[in-house]
Amino acid sequence: SQKIEQNSEALNIQEGKTATLTCNYTNYSPAYLQWYRQDPGRGPVFLLLIRENEKEKRKERLKVTFDTTLKQSLFHITASQPADSATYLCALFNNAGNMLTFGGGTRLMVKP
Amino acid sequence: GAGVSQSPSNKVTEKGKDVELRCDPISGHTALYWYRQSLGQGLEFLIYFQGNSAPDKSGLPSDRFSAERTGGSVSTLTIQRTQQEDSAVYLCASSLNLLAGVTNEQFFGPGTRLTVL
Repeated sequence: SQKIEQNSEALNIQEGKTATLTCNYTNYSPAYLQWYRQDPGRGPVFLLLIRENEKEKRKERLKVTFDTTLKQSLFHITASQPADSATYLCALFNNAGNMLTFGGGTRLMVKP
Repeated sequence: GAGVSQSPSNKVTEKGKDVELRCDPISGHTALYWYRQSLGQGLEFLIYFQGNSAPDKSGLPSDRFSAERTGGSVSTLTIQRTQQEDSAVYLCASSLNLLAGVTNEQFFGPGTRLTVL
């Protein structure tokens, strides 16, 4: 069965450091992968999309990589700030391309 | 423009009662999705609509759950004979379209927090 895994343990880092979150998947052949941010009590907010033929995508302090051989995406936040503290979710379309499946999310805590 | 809205924001009900949750998607978005999120958990996909049709209802947890969408806009999720395990935040999202190979950024509403006593 198709499965998306994110580290369920919270990631605690110091302000100014780079945060790296991991998303692994099995039994998918995704055309692209999305990353979302979710704050407590709010719905997820779209951050970045990366296609299967793109190795890396950047947006301001965010960087996403996509390795279809390893079946893994890495999400990096450089020069992290306490305001970056949130839960980050990765998501993939199913093989039929009609349903987005989310990973369980990883909570990031950036300490000042 | 206005984002996705959901109502009510909070709903407390007694076990065995029926509840109806509403979602107003962004105007012009043809695709609409319902998810459920239990405390501290990820999003559980329930159902999606392309226009008014729902091609895949397999994500609905039981036959007590149903959803409809009329006029290609507002959607309602109905839970009959609610159980305590139905307690969760129900999130609705919409996207511009639902075509394979097309980017489909989903815009989420704030959710409805359902508590079944």
